[in-house]
Amino acid sequence: DGGITQSPKYLFRKEGQNVTLSCEQNLNHDAMYWYRQDPGQGLRLIYYSQIVNDFQKGDIAEGYSVSREKKESFPLTVTSAQKNPTAFYLCASSMGLGFSPDYGYTFGSGTRLTVV
Amino acid sequence: DQQVKQNSPSLSVQEGRISILNCDYTNSMFDYFLWYKKYPAEGPTFLISISSIKDKNEDGRFTVFLNKSAKHLSLHIVPSQPGDSAVYFCAAIYSGAGSYQLTFGKGTKLSVIP
Repeated sequence: DGGITQSPKYLFRKEGQNVTLSCEQNLNHDAMYWYRQDPGQGLRLIYYSQIVNDFQKGDIAEGYSVSREKKESFPLTVTSAQKNPTAFYLCASSMGLGFSPDYGYTFGSGTRLTVV
Repeated sequence: DQQVKQNSPSLSVQEGRISILNCDYTNSMFDYFLWYKKYPAEGPTFLISISSIKDKNEDGRFTVFLNKSAKHLSLHIVPSQPGDSAVYFCAAIYSGAGSYQLTFGKGTKLSVIP
């Protein structure tokens, strides 16, 4: 079955450490996205990528970095510069160059990051 | 500046009754609107969408209504079931922008009481 896989589901990080969240999709989607969800804040866009080797900052990119070396993969690194990294992180993908209003985005199941 | 607003953080409805979730938007360039359903600790799943050229779209128990002049849309769930209890996100997109970037509201938590 096609879909998006995020790993790990739960992640603990010590303050001052960088940590990388994995996102892999086998949907042959062009575009991939990273969102952060906080209570009462909805979904806020961190970074997105429409094609390989290209990505753009979203609304809250500070303290985060991404790479898009393969179409299937869009890892997110939460750096020590991110002041409040504890949150639920969601990866999504879409057709990108051919947006489908019937399906919108496909989301992964998320990673819960906790700074200890 | 919040372009998609869901002003009700929560809603409680009796099983079998109608649930109405509301969403307002400010950007008149949006041409597609989508609703997503999200359970705790899971990713959102697509529910239903509507194009700005329509005023209604129906899929089983779910109907979305769009009032372009009021920049308002609503999701109706009839009849409501306990399994519908989740957070519902309204989202909008301007498909001509090239980025296909969805803008989400903050969500409304629906509780369906048995």
